[in-house]
Amino acid sequence: SYELAQPPSVSVSPGQTASITCSGDKLGDKFVSWYQQRPGQSPVVVIYQNNKRPSGIPERFSGSTSGNTATLTISGTQTMDEADYYCQAWDSSTAVFGGGTKLTVL
Amino acid sequence: QVYLVESGGGVVQPGGSLRLSCAASGFIFGNHGMEWVRQAPGKGLEWLALIWSDGSNSLYAESVKGQFTISRDNSKNTLFLQMNSLRAEDTAVYYCARHLWRDGCNSITCSLMDVWGQGTTVTVSS
Repeated sequence: SYELAQPPSVSVSPGQTASITCSGDKLGDKFVSWYQQRPGQSPVVVIYQNNKRPSGIPERFSGSTSGNTATLTISGTQTMDEADYYCQAWDSSTAVFGGGTKLTVL
Repeated sequence: QVYLVESGGGVVQPGGSLRLSCAASGFIFGNHGMEWVRQAPGKGLEWLALIWSDGSNSLYAESVKGQFTISRDNSKNTLFLQMNSLRAEDTAVYYCARHLWRDGCNSITCSLMDVWGQGTTVTVSS
């Protein structure tokens, strides 16, 4: 079955740039979405189709892909960005989530 | 405002069944595919199933194929997940989500889950 690999945790200082990676076989040929899940809350999509941002999502969130890796970048990270982040893609008619990355802002 | 509200969770014995519901409001339910995603305690998100807007087709994760059935009633703006032969590992928060195609997207591969419910908790335990 298809797998998406994410680092379990990433730490960043407030105001700095956080990068969260997501790796998978031929991921560059797929569309990737990114979901933010704050503690105790439901997930929220922050990036779709690799690099598009839904309305209401701050401009500091951006996405990119290169080869087998997708990256979520948060510029000027704020304490409110502390959350779990999941990448997601479709493979063989199945939606697959990465294992999630806990972003700590300290 | 667009809302999804799950219900039907609870405690069930191993081998038992449960039917989850997801009530939609604020949008034309019958125009959108719908999905179920779950999250075991302290774990990540796991996609379970997708149903087409008209209910004509559905897709399942291998882990629940043959065990769970997704369905919908567009006249009642409600999505369902029938869960049978439940096991301890099915213990999780179950979310419904709206499946959306946009920005030139015309297939599931470029879709997104743009609205999520608050989740309903299922505990499988004797």
